[in-house]
Amino acid sequence: DTGVSQNPRHKITKRGQNVTFRCDPISEHNRLYWYRQTLGQGPEFLTYFQNEAQLEKSRLLSDRFSAERPKGSFSTLEIQRTEQGDSAMYLCASSLGGQYQPQHFGDGTRLSIL
Amino acid sequence: QKEVEQNSGPLSVPEGAIASLNCTYSDRGSQSFFWYRQYSGKSPELIMFIYSNGDKEDGRFTAQLNKASQYVSLLIRDSQPSDSATYLCAVSGASYDKVIFGPGTSLSVIP
Repeated sequence: DTGVSQNPRHKITKRGQNVTFRCDPISEHNRLYWYRQTLGQGPEFLTYFQNEAQLEKSRLLSDRFSAERPKGSFSTLEIQRTEQGDSAMYLCASSLGGQYQPQHFGDGTRLSIL
Repeated sequence: QKEVEQNSGPLSVPEGAIASLNCTYSDRGSQSFFWYRQYSGKSPELIMFIYSNGDKEDGRFTAQLNKASQYVSLLIRDSQPSDSATYLCAVSGASYDKVIFGPGTSLSVIP
C-alpha cells in the first residue's frame, strides 16, 4: 500500500497526558499537512511541511501542539497536557509541492480524552 | 467572513436526480479548487479539482468554477445511494499555500 499511513488509528487517554501521532506520507510527496476535524466540521488546518521545513502553523494552535518532520520523511504530531477539547480526528495529508497539487489523506487518528 | 463557505445541508435528492453542491470563497486570489467526498467515519477522498473558469467533467461529476463570482460548484448526475456522503470544498491560492476546507455539505440520495 503506497498511500498515506497514520498510526495509531485510535488513541484513548486521560486528560493531562501527552500523546504523539505518526504520519507516513506517500513516498514521493514533499508536502505534508496536519488537520483536525470534529463532528460536522470540515478539516481545520493545523500545520504543514515542505520537506523538513515547517512552513506554517495555525495561529489557532496552542503551544501545547508541536509537529516535526525530521529528514523530510514521516512526521509526528505531539499534544502535551491534553484537554477535553482536544478530542477529535487528526488527519494527515500529503501532496507534491505547489498549490495546484491535490492532497491525499490518511485514515486519521481518532483521539478521545477521558 | 469565513474563508470557504458551503451550505451544511442536509441536501436530499431522489435516486437518479442531479445533486448540486455549492461553495463560495473569500480570497479573490485563490487559484486551485478541490472537491472531496467523505463518508461517515472515513477520511476525505479527492473527487475532482479545477483551476480554470468554466466546467470540468469526469464521469457523473462536473465541477464548475466562476472566479469573478468567487463560486465553485459540483454537480452529480444520476445520483446513487452510494453518493450519500459529506462533500467538502477546498481552496488554495495566491495569498496562502495551504488548503482551506469548507464545513462540508451533507448529501443524502433517497432510493
